[in-house]
Amino acid sequence: DTAVSQTPKYLVTQMGNDKSIKCEQNLGHDTMYWYKQDSKKFLKIMFSYNNKELIINETVPNRFSPKSPDKAHLNLHINSLELGDSAVYFCASSQDFVGVTEAFFGQGTRLTVV
Amino acid sequence: DAKTTQPPSMDCAEGRAANLPCNHSTISGNEYVYWYRQIHSQGPQYIIHGLKNNETNEMASLIITEDRKSSTLILPHATLRDTAVYYCIAPMSMDSNYQLIWGAGTKLIIKP
Repeated sequence: DTAVSQTPKYLVTQMGNDKSIKCEQNLGHDTMYWYKQDSKKFLKIMFSYNNKELIINETVPNRFSPKSPDKAHLNLHINSLELGDSAVYFCASSQDFVGVTEAFFGQGTRLTVV
Repeated sequence: DAKTTQPPSMDCAEGRAANLPCNHSTISGNEYVYWYRQIHSQGPQYIIHGLKNNETNEMASLIITEDRKSSTLILPHATLRDTAVYYCIAPMSMDSNYQLIWGAGTKLIIKP
């Protein structure tokens, strides 16, 4: 069983469109994250949710909106897609947010905006 | 900004021990050092973490200097499948929360 699964794996879309990426974890973790990995391969945290509540909201455009229907799911919705949004987006989860904990990552969603 | 410094790339012969260094001279006394790796086209994978004692698990060993300003990740018998980017990470404290600040990592290439 996949611990953290994201869909879709690849997403190609035109500028201006709205798209969503879904993430689910079956580990029973309380905290989930969205990371963005750009073309230079740097991983940057975007959002973190703990028990369905937003904990971290880094300075990402408000076109990006995370939604957590329950603590096993953290979806990422992106409005009015721009060329600069092209990147690989990773979902992750961990047992605890504070203290010593390891994070489990999904396989990533490669978003290409044309 | 990342609080760790790693060499951008390293080579290692298959079957030999791979030793990956990391400097974290500004780490706080209660901050752990984490190591992750990212194999091409996959999500990052947790390897090991430590505070001040040396740690070992089924994947690797972590040696932390007594002053905690640097550490070394050791893959005892590297295989071709260990080719990946290895990240040494020291969390940044934000109130009572922690987030992982990722640097550029070390690209480790295992050669046959």
